[in-house]
Amino acid sequence: KQEVTQIPAALSVPEGENLVLNCSFTDSAIYNLQWFRQDPGKGLTSLLLIQSSQREQTSGRLNASLDKSSGRSTLYIAASQPGDSATYLCASFYQGGKLIFGQGTELSVKP
Amino acid sequence: NAGVTQTPKFQVLKTGQSMTLQCAQDMNHEYMSWYRQDPGMGLRLIHYSVGAGITDQGEVPNGYNVSRSTTEDFPLRLLSAAPSQTSVYFCASSQAGRGEQYFGPGTRLTVT
Repeated sequence: KQEVTQIPAALSVPEGENLVLNCSFTDSAIYNLQWFRQDPGKGLTSLLLIQSSQREQTSGRLNASLDKSSGRSTLYIAASQPGDSATYLCASFYQGGKLIFGQGTELSVKP
Repeated sequence: NAGVTQTPKFQVLKTGQSMTLQCAQDMNHEYMSWYRQDPGMGLRLIHYSVGAGITDQGEVPNGYNVSRSTTEDFPLRLLSAAPSQTSVYFCASSQAGRGEQYFGPGTRLTVT
């Protein structure tokens, strides 16, 4: 069964810290992996997309890595800010059009 | 481009009623899919489609029907609503293969 797991489920850090969110997937035959942000009661905002042939992608203070062989991806957030507080979701995309989500990591950045 | 649109934004149904959630995209994407999100959980795949006339079941398909007669539209039908179907429903689309997923704003459904 294709499953995606995110650890930790919740994380609280002081402003300014660098942090890492983890995502693991059971089926390594992914086409791509995408990280999203979701604010309470809102929709999904795409952050980064990593193709299966890539090792990492960067956007501003965000860096996402992908290791297909170990079935893992990480999202690194540098110099965290209170505005980064949200739930972060990873999703792996497979042949045939299936997108499987993890349950998310709820991040709180304290001023 | 409007991207992915969903209607309605909010809906309240009584148990046993039927309704259709609408999803449309104007990006000529081949792939479309439906998800539900329950409190404290990630998104779970209901049904998905790789092109007009082709649909398949996801993780939680029971109680829902779909069809895809055009590339642009992918409606989700609840045949007989149950309180367990109270959720937020998201529709998404992407280009075939390795495309980025684009999500609609969601429909918040309450079944009483």
